[in-house]
Amino acid sequence: AQRVTQPEKLLSVFKGAPVELKCNYSYSGSPELFWYVQYSRQRLQLLLRHISRESIKGFTADLNKGETSFHLKKPFAQEEDSAMYYCAAQTGANSKLTFGKGITLSVRP
Amino acid sequence: GAVVSQHPSRVICKSGTSVKIECRSLDFQATTMFWYRQFPKQSLMLMATSNEGSKATYEQGVEKDKFLINHASLTLSTLTVTSAHPEDSSFYICSARLRTGSYEQYFGPGTRLTVT
Repeated sequence: AQRVTQPEKLLSVFKGAPVELKCNYSYSGSPELFWYVQYSRQRLQLLLRHISRESIKGFTADLNKGETSFHLKKPFAQEEDSAMYYCAAQTGANSKLTFGKGITLSVRP
Repeated sequence: GAVVSQHPSRVICKSGTSVKIECRSLDFQATTMFWYRQFPKQSLMLMATSNEGSKATYEQGVEKDKFLINHASLTLSTLTVTSAHPEDSSFYICSARLRTGSYEQYFGPGTRLTVT
């Protein structure tokens, strides 16, 4: 079955500390991978997708096909990064998006 | 950028009544819209995929007679929760795909449904 796994529910770090939010996927073929973010009282929005290979707000994510992982990283966390982060996967442009359970990132001052 | 709105943002209804939630793509045409349900601090669960002019495709375990979806135009999809019960209380979120063949999805702000 197609599955996206985020093994941790909560990550709490101090401002300036590195952050790594884990995501593993179980898919046949080569899915498209995404990270979505939901700030407090705001709608879900796309943070980045692996195909674009860009860095958004200092976050990067590398697709590791061998480990079937797509971990989200940021070298120095900021308080405004505190939010809920969801990893998601999709097999084709017209297919549905499957979300992981999400992780709450809390960045303390 | 592409904007998706939902109305109402919050609704309280009595058990046994029906409630309709609208999802609109404000500045683009969406051939496909999606309806999700989100429980507190949990993931989004896809309920159904709505294609303009055709019947919605429901995910396993979602009652199509209880959650009626209509996608009558390229900018509007509606979700009607029929004979609502307290266990239907949840946060319902819609999203719209920018165009066929595109990975881009834009999410609405969500509708908080409380059934008393």
